[in-house]
Amino acid sequence: DADVTQTPRNRITKTGKRIMLECSQTKGHDRMYWYRQDPGLGLRLIYYSFDVKDINKGEISDGYSVSRQAQAKFSLSLESAIPNQTALYFCATSVVTGTGSTGELFFGEGSRLTVL
Amino acid sequence: KNQVEQSPQSLIILEGKNCTLQCNYTVSPFSNLRWYKQDTGRGPVSLTIMTFSENTKSNGRYTATLDADTKQSSLHITASQLSDSASYICVVSALERANNLFFGTGTRLTVIP
Repeated sequence: DADVTQTPRNRITKTGKRIMLECSQTKGHDRMYWYRQDPGLGLRLIYYSFDVKDINKGEISDGYSVSRQAQAKFSLSLESAIPNQTALYFCATSVVTGTGSTGELFFGEGSRLTVL
Repeated sequence: KNQVEQSPQSLIILEGKNCTLQCNYTVSPFSNLRWYKQDTGRGPVSLTIMTFSENTKSNGRYTATLDADTKQSSLHITASQLSDSASYICVVSALERANNLFFGTGTRLTVIP
């Protein structure tokens, strides 16, 4: 089984629908992240969480919300999906290094979302 | 402004040839730099990490270099294989910042037979 699991892997939905992408991990890491990837733009941070009680906005959080249900679970929601949210979404986990910086990121396999 | 720039954006090489990918950054204060490999439709996977004191590090046919003075890193791939076809992403970490990862947009490498 994968250490970081994302569901669903593929989803097609319509404008205005509510969508939830789920992420679970077995690595025991405190830090979890949601990124979106668009061609030519690379990976951009949507939200991140350093523990269950800590949620932070990333650079492109508008139109998204998250929930950290447990150390192992971090969900991303689109309350009212729009076509420009069509993208590949990745969940990732990490530890913090001794210098206070972020350690290696461990990514899930991605969730491809298409909003019509 | 903290930025990470990669070049080239894309590259096509013949199987068996060598290639070098570049990463320039302005992130400060610098903690480390990682190269990730992302196969099509998969999540990125770390290839190597470079810290301030390291100049060169190898991982099989992959060799990363770091020049902390000029803020440049390169990833050299030797004797390329078809399985090297992927995107290679440079990620720079800053010290002591809550949101301290800065991503390049990647280089798309295609190895052809």
